[in-house]
Amino acid sequence: AAGVIQSPRHLIKEKRETATLKCYPIPRHDTVYWYQQGPGQDPQFLISFYEKMQSDKGSIPDRFSAQQFSDYHSELNMSSLELGDSALYFCASSLEGGRAGYNEQFFGPGTRLTVL
Amino acid sequence: QKEVEQDPGPLSVPEGAIVSLNCTYSNSAFQYFMWYRQYSRKGPELLMYTYSSGNKEDGRFTAQVDKSSKYISLFIRDSQPSDSATYLCATQLSNFGNEKLTFGTGTRLTIIP
Repeated sequence: AAGVIQSPRHLIKEKRETATLKCYPIPRHDTVYWYQQGPGQDPQFLISFYEKMQSDKGSIPDRFSAQQFSDYHSELNMSSLELGDSALYFCASSLEGGRAGYNEQFFGPGTRLTVL
Repeated sequence: QKEVEQDPGPLSVPEGAIVSLNCTYSNSAFQYFMWYRQYSRKGPELLMYTYSSGNKEDGRFTAQVDKSSKYISLFIRDSQPSDSATYLCATQLSNFGNEKLTFGTGTRLTIIP
């Protein structure tokens, strides 16, 4: 079965540079979530989109922005990168509309961002 | 204070042992309680979910939720080396409206053959 695809899997950037992380949800899933997991930390919710509209916002810095496109893929744009942005960034997708039962979030393998 | 607290371990047990993993949470409004398993260099995958208080069993895994004490548990019977992973508890206020997950830190579990 198709899973959530994230690219790139690894990314190394310098301080103050920008980075773009991409997420391709499971086909027909209409909701995308972004989570940030620092070293030894729990995944922290950043932002979510439903049907291409932002549906919730968590602890996402103002330097970060995200959007969901017409094909439902999502991009997380990160500017003025700081050392503290080094983390594993997970994307998850789910099917909110028309589903039955528990609405499971399926996670991608993550993008490991290292800021030097 | 974190909304969901989890002992990070690490926890090492011999193969065949019963494993007990636990979390506590502070927000009494949480209604859904999940356990995710995360292998190295992979994303979390859902093991089990429970709605409100009670027990739920799936094979060798049993999840328990006690809302009165805000306590979440996962028991693994007849543990196998393939169970070695990080286990994350997670909570949700609801399962509608694209509700976010609030995670614990995760417990790193190693099953020794």
